[in-house]
Amino acid sequence: EDKVVQSPLSLVVHEGDTVTLNCSYEVTNFRSLLWYKQEKKAPTFLFMLTSSGIEKKSGRLSSILDKKELFSILNITATQTGDSAVYLCAVSMKTSYDKVIFGPGTSLSVIP
Amino acid sequence: EAGVTQFPSHSVIEKGQTVTLRCDPISGHDNLYWYRRVMGKEIKFLLHFVKESKQDESGMPNNRFLAERTGGTYSTLKVQPAELEDSGVYFCASSQDRLLGSGYTFGSGTRLTVV
Repeated sequence: EDKVVQSPLSLVVHEGDTVTLNCSYEVTNFRSLLWYKQEKKAPTFLFMLTSSGIEKKSGRLSSILDKKELFSILNITATQTGDSAVYLCAVSMKTSYDKVIFGPGTSLSVIP
Repeated sequence: EAGVTQFPSHSVIEKGQTVTLRCDPISGHDNLYWYRRVMGKEIKFLLHFVKESKQDESGMPNNRFLAERTGGTYSTLKVQPAELEDSGVYFCASSQDRLLGSGYTFGSGTRLTVV
């Protein structure tokens, strides 16, 4: 069965800390991996990764994919309270049009 | 541009009643998706429309759920009759291209509570 696993499920850090969120997957016909940030309501798109070893960056956030080991990490440096959210990892497959499979999410709390 | 709009934001209904959720995608987005998150579980795919056609409805849990997208604009998801296990947050998302780099744009969700 296709699945996406995230760890940790919950994390509490202090402002200024650097965090690494993990996502591993087991799917058939992998196409891409996506990261989303969900605060109170709608998940918002962060990154899409399709190639191994190519880091994507957006400000203090960065992500990389390892298609051989079937995982991705999302790094957040110099965390701020506004980074508090649930971070969702999702995977799309070539054989299922645009259906994506979500992981359970990592709930990140950044405290002052 | 306006985002994906879902209505209502919250709905509380009794078991056995009918509820209809609505999603207005971003204008021009042919692809529309329904997902839901039930308590303690992952967000799970329900179905995918391309314009007015159902491209993939493999995630629809049973025949109590009916999704429509007449005219290829907004979509409705009807649950009839609702059961307790249908409680959760129902998300709609839309995209212009088929995940060719931008990912989905999600709506804020409808929180459905069946009592």
